[in-house]
Amino acid sequence: DVVMTQSPLSLPVTLGQPASISCRSSQSLVHSDGNTYLNWFQQRPGQSPRRLIYKVSNRDSGVSDRFSGSGSGTDFTLKISRVEAEDVGVYYCMQGTHWPLTFGGGTKVEIK
Amino acid sequence: EVQLLESGGGLVQPGGSLRLSCAASGFTFSSYGMSWVRQAPGKGLEWVSAIGGGGVTYYADSVTGRFTISRDNSKNTLYLQMNSLRAEDTAVYYCAMGGRIAAVGGGDWGQGTLVTVSS
Repeated sequence: DVVMTQSPLSLPVTLGQPASISCRSSQSLVHSDGNTYLNWFQQRPGQSPRRLIYKVSNRDSGVSDRFSGSGSGTDFTLKISRVEAEDVGVYYCMQGTHWPLTFGGGTKVEIK
Repeated sequence: EVQLLESGGGLVQPGGSLRLSCAASGFTFSSYGMSWVRQAPGKGLEWVSAIGGGGVTYYADSVTGRFTISRDNSKNTLYLQMNSLRAEDTAVYYCAMGGRIAAVGGGDWGQGTLVTVSS
């Protein structure tokens, strides 16, 4: 199975400052169809998960442009340009290239 | 607007069975693969199963042989038949749009349905 490793596990950030979460996969996530199926999810406290980014860098409808995804191969990053209070929660990366699909362990974003 | 509504959860004894449903709307259901993802209390997300638009199925090792994913395109509904349930299957179960959970428009998930396996 593809192992997804996120860092850091916990990310205390100052309001208005940028934040960055790393996600590394144990195998390349480039699919034979040419797509790279790397998604990012946000889960606010007490809420269902919500996808923010699909296929590395495509922002979902309604997602703030403060969120951006980048990367290739085995190394991916989620960036928040200016953290707001509503961004508090746990963030997960997920690979959809190889079966079984696998999630990272999560990064908890909190306000300093 | 894509909407996914999970139902069918509840309390079941170890070894018991349960069938979850996911009613989908806002998109052409038959054209998309669908997935189930679960989250045990206080834990992270775990992919469970997926089904393609044509009916090809995939399962996590932890549920293979016990769970069966299916779909009824005439009812726009996804199912997860869960047999031989174990305590470690206790979780909130979510359905998601897309077999690889990468479908355009599939960002929002439902509220999930809680399955509790306990005697």
